[in-house]
Amino acid sequence: GAGVSQSPRYKVAKRGQDVALRCDPISGHVSLFWYQQALGQGPEFLTYFQNEAQLDKSGLPSDRFFAERPEGSVSTLKIQRTQQEDSAVYLCASSLDPTGDYGYTFGSGTRLTVV
Amino acid sequence: AQSVTQLDSQVPVFEEAPVELRCNYSSSVSVYLFWYVQYPNQGLQLLLKYLSGSTLVKGINGFEAEFNKSQTSFHLRKPSVHISDTAEYFCAVSGRYGNKLVFGAGTILRVKS
Repeated sequence: GAGVSQSPRYKVAKRGQDVALRCDPISGHVSLFWYQQALGQGPEFLTYFQNEAQLDKSGLPSDRFFAERPEGSVSTLKIQRTQQEDSAVYLCASSLDPTGDYGYTFGSGTRLTVV
Repeated sequence: AQSVTQLDSQVPVFEEAPVELRCNYSSSVSVYLFWYVQYPNQGLQLLLKYLSGSTLVKGINGFEAEFNKSQTSFHLRKPSVHISDTAEYFCAVSGRYGNKLVFGAGTILRVKS
């Protein structure tokens, strides 16, 4: 597609519910990143894929967070047993270069609200 | 590890006036530097980036930034702003081969008529 597409745009989850957030990167982009943006803050790194390999997951805040990219294109970020502190905008980004060193294209994000 | 400090949380400015958004970084390694803009309810759009070479970098929408290694700064400037420049601006740094970006907290630019 023309840009990075994320769905859903908005998600309201009850505390304790599991959620899955989807990212469709730009076709052919090798690297894919997930960031979490809390209200009034800059984005914070969660995890990074190069094709289907998850090369860095150091930013995932707990073992309730899990990301996958099984075929090297679409990625899913899953949050189990959501908590109120998980409320944030989750941004996906992709890049043609394998490391993303030269900057990447962001999607519009999924705004997750945990009630 | 890298960190980024954006010195102003909000910058109000009148239309057609010049503006400077300040960014300082810290890093123990050579870095790449970026400025992104975020319009309401949208993702981040890359304005410009410094990878190497000339320290004055020109980006989209008439913005430019200057890399100052001795002052560890990467301030963003525009000589004449428009109402449409109202948005939040984020400075970011990555270590070379480091992949992930470290963002500042953002500066909201409010352009008034």
